[in-house]
Amino acid sequence: GAGVSQSPRYKVAKRGQDVALRCDPISGHVSLFWYQQALGQGPEFLTYFQNEAQLDKSGLPSDRFFAERPEGSVSTLKIQRTQQEDSAVYLCASSSADNYGYTFGSGTRLTVV
Amino acid sequence: LAKTTQPISMDSYEGQEVNITCSHNNIATNDYITWYQQFPSQGPRFIIQGYKTKVTNEVASLFIPADRKSSTLSLPRVSLSDTAVYYCLVGVINDYKLSFGAGTTVTVRA
Repeated sequence: GAGVSQSPRYKVAKRGQDVALRCDPISGHVSLFWYQQALGQGPEFLTYFQNEAQLDKSGLPSDRFFAERPEGSVSTLKIQRTQQEDSAVYLCASSSADNYGYTFGSGTRLTVV
Repeated sequence: LAKTTQPISMDSYEGQEVNITCSHNNIATNDYITWYQQFPSQGPRFIIQGYKTKVTNEVASLFIPADRKSSTLSLPRVSLSDTAVYYCLVGVINDYKLSFGAGTTVTVRA
């Protein structure tokens, strides 16, 4: 597609609920990234994929967070047993193989109540 | 990654030039300086990148002194639509892990 598409745009979850956030990267982009952006803060790195391989997951806050990209295209970020501190905007980005020129999606705003 | 320091906020008026200075005292030899722009409810967008001296594109100019310990993003003749958060990042050119910081909120008034 023309850009990085994320769905849903908004998600409200009750505390303890599991959520799944989807990212459709730009077609042909090898690299895919997830970032978390708390209110009033800059985005913070969560995890990085090259094709289907998750090369870095050092930014995932806890083992409740899990990301996958099984066919090297669409990616899903899953958060289990959501907590209020998980409320944030989750941004997905993709780039070509050399990691030049990130393109970000518009994000999914998650609110845990 | 080298740490950066930039003002929290700046106000301006339409038609003025806005200059945002970023300090990065510990910049490494291989590091580049990159600026991103983020509008409300959107992801960050690449604006400009440079290594030294001056870089200009259709959106902005980036001035980098010889010691590279700071850089200045210059937005000429801003309009209301330039209201956004601007982030200064320092790192190797194809680093996959971007470190954003809190950014500078620029508000342009009529």
